[in-house]
Amino acid sequence: KAGVTQTPRYLIKTRGQQVTLSCSPISGHRSVSWYQQTPGQGLQFLFEYFSETQRNKGNFPGRFSGRQFSNSRSEMNVSTLELGDSALYLCASSPPGQGYEQYFGPGTRLTVT
Amino acid sequence: GQQLNQSPQSMFIQEGEDVSMNCTSSSIFNTWLWYKQDPGEGPVLLIALYKAGELTSNGRLTAQFGITRKDSFLNISASIPSDVGIYFCAGQEGSGNTPLVFGKGTRLSVIA
Repeated sequence: KAGVTQTPRYLIKTRGQQVTLSCSPISGHRSVSWYQQTPGQGLQFLFEYFSETQRNKGNFPGRFSGRQFSNSRSEMNVSTLELGDSALYLCASSPPGQGYEQYFGPGTRLTVT
Repeated sequence: GQQLNQSPQSMFIQEGEDVSMNCTSSSIFNTWLWYKQDPGEGPVLLIALYKAGELTSNGRLTAQFGITRKDSFLNISASIPSDVGIYFCAGQEGSGNTPLVFGKGTRLSVIA
């Protein structure tokens, strides 16, 4: 089975712009979670989608949003980018009934200048 | 929010040595997981633990779910250079749909 794929792998944006990141889960996985990883804060949970519905949400401002499509692919969007949004954004998918077993993609490295 | 305390933050060891790291929480967890992250990659699931006291092995890796349900341990025996990376613990407090909480990682360096 192919793993979780994320596009793009690297991105450079300017403050104030918006960005959309994409994630394709492992085939058969319907749950997709997003995380922000920074050296200082580690892995921080952003949100989780299951069957096109947001099931859980972390403690991030409303500038961070996401969605999931009927084929389980997911996107996350960050509007009005700030310097502090520079991070590795990781997507993870889970097998049915095993939401605690997260399988991660390689991440999108976002740099905000 | 909930935080996991993972220690040590970093380790430098000689090839062939055994390694131990641990993770503690202030509240009870129902599931503990251990991940490894290589540079430029996402974390990879190593071991999942589901019951207090459970001891599970994956090759040279052994992890334990603490009896108090507030801690977990990971041991690596006879370390090799490819063990280099960052090891993360993660825990789940509630049911299967509760988000995971991650520790800040232990960076392992192996000196050949």
